[in-house]
Amino acid sequence: QKEVEQNSGPLSVPEGAIASLNCTYSDRGSQSFFWYRQYSGKSPELIMSIYSNGDKEDGRFTAQLNKASQYVSLLIRDSQPSDSATYLCAVIGDSNYQLIWGAGTKLIIKP
Amino acid sequence: DGGITQSPKYLFRKEGQNVTLSCEQNLNHDAMYWYRQDPGQGLRLIYYSQIVNDFQKGDIAEGYSVSREKKESFPLTVTSAQKNPTAFYLCASSRLLTGAGEQFFGPGTRLTVL
Repeated sequence: QKEVEQNSGPLSVPEGAIASLNCTYSDRGSQSFFWYRQYSGKSPELIMSIYSNGDKEDGRFTAQLNKASQYVSLLIRDSQPSDSATYLCAVIGDSNYQLIWGAGTKLIIKP
Repeated sequence: DGGITQSPKYLFRKEGQNVTLSCEQNLNHDAMYWYRQDPGQGLRLIYYSQIVNDFQKGDIAEGYSVSREKKESFPLTVTSAQKNPTAFYLCASSRLLTGAGEQFFGPGTRLTVL
């Protein structure tokens, strides 16, 4: 059973600080990794994708991938109250095109 | 504006009823998906389709049925065989099945069984 694990939180971070969200996956053959943001009662929205080891930056967001350790992380710099949401990690293996989803980490940014 | 629409936003079902959830997209995407989300859990795939008149079961297809008669439309029927249908149902699409990681979601339908 392929799994994606995330700490459910809530993770509470002061406004302006760096929020760090982590995700581990079980399928060593996984090739593609995604972070989605989901506000309460709303549908998920893709915010970052990463395919190779290292860091990928997009504005205040940085995704980090370490395939040897089988984890992917999301850093949010200068956290804002509008960043308060649940962040879902999703992974695609190399054997099919189905996304395997983590249960999400609830992030709360305190003003 | 391009996007995915789902209707209704809220749906109430009585025991023994079949209900159909609508999903329409005007993104010209080939692949479409149905997910179920329960509180505190990740999304679980019900069905997906990569071309018209073809669809595949996901991890939790029992008690559900779909059709894909048009590229733009992928309705989901929740049958009376689904014993615990209360959940948040999400429809998504991607340009190709190989681009399944970059999915666009509709606003969702919240189904409650009475």
